[in-house]
Order: sequence, then structure tokens, then C-alpha cells
Amino acid sequence: EADIYQTPRYLVIGTGKKITLECSQTMGHDKMYWYQQDPGMELHLIHYSYGVNSTEKGDLSSESTVSRIRTEHFPLTLESARPSHTSQYLCASSDLPANYGYTFGSGTRLTVV
Amino acid sequence: GQNIDQPTEMTATEGAIVQINCTYQTSGFNGLFWYQQHAGEAPTFLSYNVLDGLEEKGRFSSFLSRSKGYSYLLLKELQMKDSASYLCAVRPTTDSWGKLQFGAGTQVVVTP
Repeated sequence: EADIYQTPRYLVIGTGKKITLECSQTMGHDKMYWYQQDPGMELHLIHYSYGVNSTEKGDLSSESTVSRIRTEHFPLTLESARPSHTSQYLCASSDLPANYGYTFGSGTRLTVV
Repeated sequence: GQNIDQPTEMTATEGAIVQINCTYQTSGFNGLFWYQQHAGEAPTFLSYNVLDGLEEKGRFSSFLSRSKGYSYLLLKELQMKDSASYLCAVRPTTDSWGKLQFGAGTQVVVTP
């Protein structure tokens, strides 16, 4: 049973549209992350949060933005989608003990046409 | 910079053993993780090493050598359901809450 939920699972959208990818977790984790993954490529960190009202950009530059108003919710928004944004977006959370790493959501596969 | 290398693909037969190697060069080190990712699904946690040596968990074992910047994941008694991508990830900071850096993954194909 998943403790971290991402919606939608798949999304096909036209260029220029605004979209929000949802991520929610029920574990009370403070740390949350967004990764971008292209087929056969490594996961790249695009945003992370260490708690409410805390957001930071990751290692990979992204035109998306995030917010963390509630502990359980970490949505990602693209103001104007472009074909270059086509990718899989994975949300994750973590907490102590640190040796368990991350719990991942099922991902959102985004296609911008 | 950070660099995590693992082979792109490995093929093995059902019942066999496969060893997936991972080498890393990172600015710091506070743990190495292995994840399994089936196509179209989320990565799931397999193992964690922070000290040198072997960690065994059922059919899966993971080894770490910090001085060599090297780890491997050993999959024994392979089953068809083990066909998946295996991701090596390093926490390159002394902060135990720090972010993970991932390799590109090794696609393991198990044949009958």
C-alpha cells in the first residue's frame, strides 16, 4: 500500500498550458524531493524541501516551481509547458532513520505535444 | 563533481547469479543505496551500506569498499520477476538527511 501518492499517473498536454503535478505523503516526513527521469538516464534532483515553507532548487535546472504549505503536500507547477518538459517526474520523501533513504511515489509521466 | 557509474545492461538466466557493480566519485560520503525499479513503476529500496563490508538480505547482498569508491549488488537464484533496473545512489554529504545522487541504472534481463 503506497504511502506517497502522485497524480496524475499519465498526462498529455498541449504546449503553453499550465500544469500542476500533485504529490502527497501520509508518513509525516519532513523531507520531500522531486526528481526528473528520462528513459535510460539517471534521476536528476530538481527541487527539494526540508519542511513547511522550505523549498530549494536541485542540481538540475528546471523551469518548474514548487510549494510546501503543508507537511504532507509538495506540488510541482509548470506555468507554460513545452515539449522539452516531456519526462517522468518522481516525488519522494524521507525521514529518520536515515538508512532507509527515500520512499518514492509511482511517478507522473508527462508528455507535452 | 559527482560521478556514479554502473553498467547499462546485464543478462542472466533464471536461477543464476548476477553481480552489478557501481563505482562512485563524490565530494563526500554518507551511505550508498540500491533501489529496484520495474518499468513504469517507482523505485523501491533494496539495501543500504555505510560501512565497509557485505550486507545480506535474503537473495540480495550488497558490498561496499569506501577506500575504492566501489559497491556491488549480488542477486542470487534469479527469478523472472527480478527483471528490472537497479539503481545505485550515494548520499555525498555528512548530513544524514542529505540528498541522494543516482547512477543511470543497470537493466537486468532474466531469461528462462
